Amino acid sequence: QKEVEQDPGPLSVPEGAIVSLNCTYSNSAFQYFMWYRQYSRKGPELLMYTYSSGNKEDGRFTAQVDKSSKYISLFIRDSQPSDSATYLCAMSGLYAGGTSYGKLTFGQGTILTVHP
Amino acid sequence: DSGVTQTPKHLITATGQRVTLRCSPRSGDLSVYWYQQSLDQGLQFLIQYYNGEERAKGNILERFSAQQFPDLHSELNLSSLELGDSALYFCASSVGTGGVYEQYFGPGTRLTVT
Repeated sequence: QKEVEQDPGPLSVPEGAIVSLNCTYSNSAFQYFMWYRQYSRKGPELLMYTYSSGNKEDGRFTAQVDKSSKYISLFIRDSQPSDSATYLCAMSGLYAGGTSYGKLTFGQGTILTVHP
Repeated sequence: DSGVTQTPKHLITATGQRVTLRCSPRSGDLSVYWYQQSLDQGLQFLIQYYNGEERAKGNILERFSAQQFPDLHSELNLSSLELGDSALYFCASSVGTGGVYEQYFGPGTRLTVT
């Protein structure tokens, strides 16, 4: 079983729809949670960054983390055709003793298409 | 544009050969990370350097090695290449080390082994 599971989709929605993207994880040491967007043949671009549990909002994007359920979500409101991309969740955690480490563990990515 | 640069953009080489991928981090960033992205494995962490020292290692093959130079640029060396090494190789950088620091990715090097 992978440490991070993400439904690869593909997901196709009409313009203006609310999109929900999700990841589950198994490693309790994960403390930092990120969402990256990757356009075809480009490098991943950091969208949202959350520490521990809670919600974070940035414009049309909302990230949620539920550590008790080991479940994270990204919501996109008023989706646009320009949001069409692969969305990757990523996580990192702590060594024993509390030192954080920079290795990111990624989900497989969800392919999103927003059609006009 | 993330500010991270990678060269070359594309590389085509034969099995058994050796290649070097180069990465320049964002100005001010001390950490460099290397990742491999393939269709079947997704994005996998290979190795991290912080200010010239190796900081963390992932599932990096023994045929692969990396280093970070005093000017903070990094190189990933891949040797005895196999068909399965064909993938996108990304470099990322962050200002510090550890999960608390945001990582910014470069555009990647697409390696094709024939």
